[in-house]
Amino acid sequence: AQKVTQAQTEISVVEKEDVTLDCVYETRDTTYYLFWYKQPPSGELVFLIRRNSFDEQNEISGRYSWNFQKSTSSFNFTITASQVVDSAVYFCALSEGRGSTLGRLYFGRGTQLTVWP
Amino acid sequence: NAGVTQTPKFQVLKTGQSMTLQCAQDMNHEYMSWYRQDPGMGLRLIHYSVGAGITDQGEVPNGYNVSRSTTEDFPLRLLSAAPSQTSVYFCASSYSIKGEKLFFGSGTQLSVL
Repeated sequence: AQKVTQAQTEISVVEKEDVTLDCVYETRDTTYYLFWYKQPPSGELVFLIRRNSFDEQNEISGRYSWNFQKSTSSFNFTITASQVVDSAVYFCALSEGRGSTLGRLYFGRGTQLTVWP
Repeated sequence: NAGVTQTPKFQVLKTGQSMTLQCAQDMNHEYMSWYRQDPGMGLRLIHYSVGAGITDQGEVPNGYNVSRSTTEDFPLRLLSAAPSQTSVYFCASSYSIKGEKLFFGSGTQLSVL
């Protein structure tokens, strides 16, 4: 079973629309870490955010915001007033904090976001 | 500050050939890892290392070897390349094994014919 599920394979929006990328994770650990990475068309992987399991506060960084809900095992990412430069593949990832899987970062399959002018 | 350096950027191999993908980091990171990225599959962990002399398998280790003789270097060896190993490979490092963000190299596009 996948530890990280990104159900949206592709999303298309028009510039200035808000868009939410969904991420659902699965773990039995009480200590874990969640991440979002961006992969623009150039191919590099860019770190966006890290959240540990003990910190459920939502975070806002400019036009980006993240909603972490342990009750639903979700860590969703919202882009407000999207721009063409936001077009990229976005990956959600999970790292467990202990046990035999310590050291492994599990990625979702990614969501391709296309923002049209 | 170079960060994580991967070479080569592109490589074409014939089935059965061997090669080594190089990865070096200059941040004194303990943790280093190799991922492969295939269309629609996200990134999958091949091998990782928590320090010099210590390596472990990830999700998809078959067909690949690694070693970590120094803190800086973590090469990935393909012993006998197969078409199924056609992929984009990323090396990544972080300060520690536990929940730190990864710094990624720029990737290697490998084609096995």
